[in-house]
Amino acid sequence: AQKITQTQPGMFVQEKEAVTLDCTYDTSDPSYGLFWYKQPSSGEMIFLIYQGSYDQQNATEGRYSLNFQKARKSANLVISASQLGDSAMYFCAMRENNFNKFYFGSGTKLNVKP
Amino acid sequence: DVKVTQSSRYLVKRTGEKVFLECVQDMDHENMFWYRQDPGLGLRLIYFSYDVKMKEKGDIPEGYSVSREKKERFSLILESASTNQTSMYLCASTGSGTGINEQFFGPGTRLTVL
Repeated sequence: AQKITQTQPGMFVQEKEAVTLDCTYDTSDPSYGLFWYKQPSSGEMIFLIYQGSYDQQNATEGRYSLNFQKARKSANLVISASQLGDSAMYFCAMRENNFNKFYFGSGTKLNVKP
Repeated sequence: DVKVTQSSRYLVKRTGEKVFLECVQDMDHENMFWYRQDPGLGLRLIYFSYDVKMKEKGDIPEGYSVSREKKERFSLILESASTNQTSMYLCASTGSGTGINEQFFGPGTRLTVL
């Protein structure tokens, strides 16, 4: 079974609007971490935000927030007030804390329209 | 400024050649990883290492080997390159202490095997 599923291969959003990128995960480990990375066309992977499985509150980092629904095993990334520079691939990832491995989803390509 | 560097951004090799991809990190991280990235498939783990001279197979180790003789350096070796190994290769590292321990990525090597 897929550990991380991103069901949106591509998304469009109007500049200044909010957008939600979906991510569901599969694990039986009670302790895990969830990550979102941004990959612009230049190719570098940029760490955006982290959510621990025991964190009570949803993580926020500037315009990024993580909508963490533990019972549903979902960890959606919300980008508020989209900017043209947000156009990129976005990857959701998970690390099960008993292991050092990270599992990545297939990514969502976000295009921000002016 | 923390850094993961990779020996080449672009590489073109012939079928059957032995190929070395080098990765160096300056963060004193214990864990290092090699991924390949293909469109629609996200990042797939080839090998990882959690200590010097230690290695673990990832999800797609066939056709690859690795070497970690020093803590800061993790090499990926294609023993006999084939055209289906044409891909983007990403190296990453992460620590093992308390904290988020997100992965830090290198800029990637785009390998073409002719």
